Amino acid sequence: EVQLVESGGGLVQPGGSLRLSCAASGFTFSNYWMSWVRQGPGKGLEWVANINQNGSVKYYVNSMKGRFTISRDNAKNSLYLQMNSLRAEDTAVYYCVRDMSGGNEYWGQGTLVTVSS
Amino acid sequence: EFVLTQSPATLSLSPGERGTLSCRASQSVSSNLVWYQQKPGQAPMLLIYGASNRATGIPARFSGSGSGTDFTLTISSLEPEDFAVYYCQQRDNWAFGQGTRLEIK
Repeated sequence: EVQLVESGGGLVQPGGSLRLSCAASGFTFSNYWMSWVRQGPGKGLEWVANINQNGSVKYYVNSMKGRFTISRDNAKNSLYLQMNSLRAEDTAVYYCVRDMSGGNEYWGQGTLVTVSS
Repeated sequence: EFVLTQSPATLSLSPGERGTLSCRASQSVSSNLVWYQQKPGQAPMLLIYGASNRATGIPARFSGSGSGTDFTLTISSLEPEDFAVYYCQQRDNWAFGQGTRLEIK
């Protein structure tokens, strides 16, 4: 069974940093593109970043470029999101997403990041 | 800037009725468009990919169509469990629409 479990969320002050993790299991992690998608409280979905199978190609939404860094460790079946210079508007649930294959796509349950003083 | 606009923002229908949700792109795009359903407190669930292909396990009452700038998600006969928020996403640039809330009339 495919599982994606996010962790690392919590309360952080404006200007602070946080590193999110996503532990993957039930599939060959190194075969898939992976993404982070976020959803602010009561708001819609916003794609954050994605990364190819070996970590050599990364894309970011423009508004987060330079502040957020996506990475992965295929030996640990893990995806990461390093978030720096956090702002109140970064408050959201952050989801880890496995890219689609054969009509299947998988999302974790998300981890909540709250940026507040 | 590329924008996906979903309409209507809220759609009020009764079970058994047909639901038609629209997703319009600010410029012509490929058919690499997906639709999601999201229920409160849950992660989104993939419904349609490639504009018209149902994801695994999705009932046949859900269908997608469209090309260029105009895409549509149709639910042929609404079931009680279909009342939720629906999002489109263009997978070439990863932008999401703002969502359509489908509510019970």
